[in-house]
Amino acid sequence: EPEVTQTPSHQVTQMGQEVILRCVPISNHLYFYWYRQILGQKVEFLVSFYNNEISEKSEIFDDQFSVERPDGSNFTLKIRSTKLEDSAMYFCASSGEGAGPYNEQFFGPGTRLTVL
Amino acid sequence: SQQGEEDPQALSIQEGENATMNCSYKTSINNLQWYRQNSGRGLVHLILIRSNEREKHSGRLRVTLDTSKKSSSLLITASRAADTASYFCATALDSNYQLIWGAGTKLIIKP
Repeated sequence: EPEVTQTPSHQVTQMGQEVILRCVPISNHLYFYWYRQILGQKVEFLVSFYNNEISEKSEIFDDQFSVERPDGSNFTLKIRSTKLEDSAMYFCASSGEGAGPYNEQFFGPGTRLTVL
Repeated sequence: SQQGEEDPQALSIQEGENATMNCSYKTSINNLQWYRQNSGRGLVHLILIRSNEREKHSGRLRVTLDTSKKSSSLLITASRAADTASYFCATALDSNYQLIWGAGTKLIIKP
C-alpha cells in the first residue's frame, strides 16, 4: 500500500541553524501539506502546496519557512534559522485528485525536530 | 476560537466495551475526518464524512455527523487493547485547504 515517507525521523540542531525536512508523498497525489505538533498540543497547519506553488499558509509559516518540490517526488520544508520554539513533530501529508484537497489526507510518520 | 474540540479529553474503558468520542466545531465544513495517533507516532486516517452525509461505517468504527449541531461522534465497538491511542477530529472548510484539528481524546483500553 502506498504511503508517505519522511526523513529523518529525528533531527537535532542548534538554534540558528538551517534544517531541511524531507518528504516523499504518495506518487499520484497532487496536494501536499506540512503540519506540526508541539509536544502535548494540537496539530497545526503550516502550508499547502499544489501545482508547484503554495496554495495556503498559516501565520506560523513566516519568512523563516519555505517549501519546495525540487524533483517531482520529494517535498521539502526548510527552516532557515531555527528557534527553540520550532521544536516539534513535523508531519507531511498528501491527498489525491478528484475532490482536490477535500479528500483524505495521508500522513507520514513525522520528523521530530529538537532545537537546542 | 477553536474549530474542533473533542470530548472527553481522556477515556478509560474495559476491553470489549464500546468507546464514544465527540467532536464539536464552529463554522460550516466541507468534511470532517477522524485520525488516530499512537503515542509519539504518526497520524493514521480513519474515516472521512462529508457535510451531506450523516453516518459512515468502517469495520468497528461508526461516525455520525450532525451539521445542525455542528458535532460529530466516533464510536468504536468491541474495543481492543490495540485501540489505545489518541483520537483527533479534523475539519476541512469549503474556503481553504487546511485541516483544523481538535485537541484529541486519549483513549485507554484496559485488558
